[in-house]
Amino acid sequence: NAGVMQNPRHLVRRRGQEARLRCSPMKGHSHVYWYRQLPEEGLKFMVYLQKENIIDESGMPKERFSAEFPKEGPSILRIQQVVRGDSAAYFCASSPGGRTTGELFFGEGSRLTVL
Amino acid sequence: RKEVEQDPGPFNVPEGATVAFNCTYSNSASQSFFWYRQDCRKEPKLLMSVYSSGNEDGRFTAQLNRASQYISLLIRDSKLSDSATYLCVVNGPSGSARQLTFGSGTQLTVLP
Repeated sequence: NAGVMQNPRHLVRRRGQEARLRCSPMKGHSHVYWYRQLPEEGLKFMVYLQKENIIDESGMPKERFSAEFPKEGPSILRIQQVVRGDSAAYFCASSPGGRTTGELFFGEGSRLTVL
Repeated sequence: RKEVEQDPGPFNVPEGATVAFNCTYSNSASQSFFWYRQDCRKEPKLLMSVYSSGNEDGRFTAQLNRASQYISLLIRDSKLSDSATYLCVVNGPSGSARQLTFGSGTQLTVLP
């Protein structure tokens, strides 16, 4: 499967624990975007990364959230000390370049539930 | 005011019906416009781009009114498989993917 791969698909954490979400972009894509989708709300941009660089993290909460896209391996979205409000679907998307025709290729999402 | 606003629905229509969704956007500098489709608990996928002159893809017609900052999607001869949430997406002036703004979506259910 050459599409965007996300794992885990479902993650349950208790308040205060850490959540790590992984994303492998589509083959040939070097640009990764993370979005959060709350129930009844649209996708909200969080962060945009290229290999080893964070290009734009303007949508990411200042505390507890971090993202990386190392030279080798998947992009990781890390949420420390999770709270109930972090429960959401987190989607990763990729594109071959930073400018877009409007088509982002999304993974199937990681659904985080915080108990 | 939200950057991209859509009627959330739900729209429940019988098979074969014609249904239209509307979307308004607030940034007059927006350059490009799209409709995405998201099936229940799945990822969004690009349905079609929206061009100034209007465009059609089979049973789907998209239109843009820049003066009114308004986008529409018309679905003719609805099929059961059209049941999904339709997301209006607007891109900022730079054309950068990080400027894509997604609406909350309009939910469509096509009934047998």
